[in-house]
Amino acid sequence: GQSLEQPSEVTAVEGAIVQINCTYQTSGFYGLSWYQQHDGGAPTFLSYNALDGLEETGRFSSFLSRSDSYGYLLLQELQMKDSASYFCAVRDGGRNQGGKLIFGQGTELSVKP
Amino acid sequence: NAGVTQTPKFRVLKTGQSMTLLCAQDMNHEYMYWYRQDPGMGLRLIHYSVGEGTTAKGEVPDGYNVSRLKKQNFLLGLESAAPSQTSVYFCASNPLAGGYEQYFGPGTRLTVT
Repeated sequence: GQSLEQPSEVTAVEGAIVQINCTYQTSGFYGLSWYQQHDGGAPTFLSYNALDGLEETGRFSSFLSRSDSYGYLLLQELQMKDSASYFCAVRDGGRNQGGKLIFGQGTELSVKP
Repeated sequence: NAGVTQTPKFRVLKTGQSMTLLCAQDMNHEYMYWYRQDPGMGLRLIHYSVGEGTTAKGEVPDGYNVSRLKKQNFLLGLESAAPSQTSVYFCASNPLAGGYEQYFGPGTRLTVT
């Protein structure tokens, strides 16, 4: 089967650093993406890792280890507006296969003052 | 650009009724997707399309049909709605060349009673 595991909830304080882990088991792997969703609205893209290592985009970083089938999203200098659900998603098909995504169940991040 | 739009935003159906959800994108993207999201869950792929006139099944296609007669539109049909189809439906699109980001619409909240 295909599965992605991530914690259901994480709580942190404003200004802190938080890491959201994701482990995956899928039949195909073409990369790991992260999406943010506020209050059930449209998910928005945060990052994508196709190769091992760390990708940094402002306060957010994403890491991938393909040998461990593991990745994480790192959020630094947390702000109240970062309170949202965060989803990891594995791209299980190449571009000529539609670039399909398999999503994890999401991590609800609560940022406290 | 309006990006990805979905019609309607909300709908209540009785069991056995039919309806069509419309997704439109003005970014000239080749790939389009329909997902459903249930409470506390990630997004699950229903059907997808890699171009005008093509459709393919995703993870949870049963009870749904789709059509992509025009490149900018992707329709999701429920022929005989069931309470199990109560969900939030998201449409997304992705360009063929370059980029791994999927662009999501605002969602359609469907309740089947």
